[in-house]
Amino acid sequence: DVVMTQTPVSLSVSLGGQVSISCRSSQSLVHNNGNTYLSWYLQKPGQSPQLLIYKVSNRFSGISDRFSGSGSGTDFTLKISRVEPDDLGVYYCGQGTQYPPTFGSGTKLEIK
Amino acid sequence: EVQLVETGGGLVQPGRSLKLSCVASGFTFNNYWMSWTRQAPGKGLEWVASITNSGGSTYYPDSVKGRFTISRDNAQNTLYLQMNSLRSEDTATYYCTRRPPLFDYWGQGVMVTVSS
Repeated sequence: DVVMTQTPVSLSVSLGGQVSISCRSSQSLVHNNGNTYLSWYLQKPGQSPQLLIYKVSNRFSGISDRFSGSGSGTDFTLKISRVEPDDLGVYYCGQGTQYPPTFGSGTKLEIK
Repeated sequence: EVQLVETGGGLVQPGRSLKLSCVASGFTFNNYWMSWTRQAPGKGLEWVASITNSGGSTYYPDSVKGRFTISRDNAQNTLYLQMNSLRSEDTATYYCTRRPPLFDYWGQGVMVTVSS
């Protein structure tokens, strides 16, 4: 199975600040069809996860442009700019290139 | 608005069975693959099962293969997860999720506790 490693485990940021979360996969996430199926999810406290970013850098419907994804191969990054109170929660990366789909262990974002 | 509403969770003894249901609305159900994904208390996310839009093919990780069965009723817009031979490590919140492996929409989740 593809192992997804997220860093840091947690981070604290001031409102209006910017943060980056790293996700590294144990194998390349480039599919035979040329697509890279790397997604980012946010699980707010007491809620279900929600999709933020798919295929590395595409924002899902209704997601603010404060969220951006980048990367290739095995190294990926989620950036959140102008952090707002509603951004707190646990962020997960996930891969869908190889079965079984797997997720990182999460990065907890706290607001200072 | 896409909605996924799970039911059927609860407390069950090890070795027993439980069946979860997920009623979908707000989209054309039979156009989409569907999945179940779970989250143990205080832990991360684990994919549990997927099914094609027609129901003709199903997929499972080794951790549940042979014990869990995913199915669907497209006429009733409903997804199911039959869980047999339950173990303590199956204790988790189970989410109905659309369009694996993208998982673009998630239900509110249903708790399953396996304990004697």
